[in-house]
Amino acid sequence: EVQLVESGGGLVQPGRSLKLSCAASGFTFSNYYMAWVRQAPTKGLEWVAYISTGGGSTYYRDSVKGRFTISRDNAKSTLYLQMDSLRSEDTATYYCTRGRRVFDYWGQGVMVTVSS
Amino acid sequence: DIQMTQSPSFLSASVGDRVTLSCKASQNINKYLAWYQQKLGEAPKLLIYNANSLQTGIPSRFSGSGSGTDFTLTISSLQPEDVATYFCLQHNSWYTFGAGTKLELK
Repeated sequence: EVQLVESGGGLVQPGRSLKLSCAASGFTFSNYYMAWVRQAPTKGLEWVAYISTGGGSTYYRDSVKGRFTISRDNAKSTLYLQMDSLRSEDTATYYCTRGRRVFDYWGQGVMVTVSS
Repeated sequence: DIQMTQSPSFLSASVGDRVTLSCKASQNINKYLAWYQQKLGEAPKLLIYNANSLQTGIPSRFSGSGSGTDFTLTISSLQPEDVATYFCLQHNSWYTFGAGTKLELK
């Protein structure tokens, strides 16, 4: 059974940093692109970043470029999202998802609140 | 950027009804459209990919159609467990989600 379990969320002040993790199991992690998708309170979904199987290619939405870094450790089957210079508009539930074209499995999500 | 417009925003229907949800793209996205179901407090679940392919394990009462800019998700006979918000996702050019249709029981 495919499982994606996020961790690392919480309350953080504007301008500070936070690192999210996603532990994957039930499939060969290194064979799949992975992505982060977020959902602000009462808002729709938006993709944040995705990463190739080996980690050599990464892609970001414009609003997080230069502030967020997606990475992976295939030996640990874990996906990461380093979030720096956080802003109030980054407040959202962050989902770890599997896939490149279509996101077929999702974690339960982790809440990130950016507030002073 | 490609914009995705879903309609209606809210839909109330009865058990057994045939329900049709719409998703329109601002430009041609070929067949690269997926549908997701999100129940309250849960992660989205993939229902349909490539516009009309049913994801493994999804009941056959769900079906998708369309290509280009106009797409439809149909539930042939609404069940109580189908109460959820439904999102579309285009993945022809980067990714854009629709704002969602909230489906409730009448």
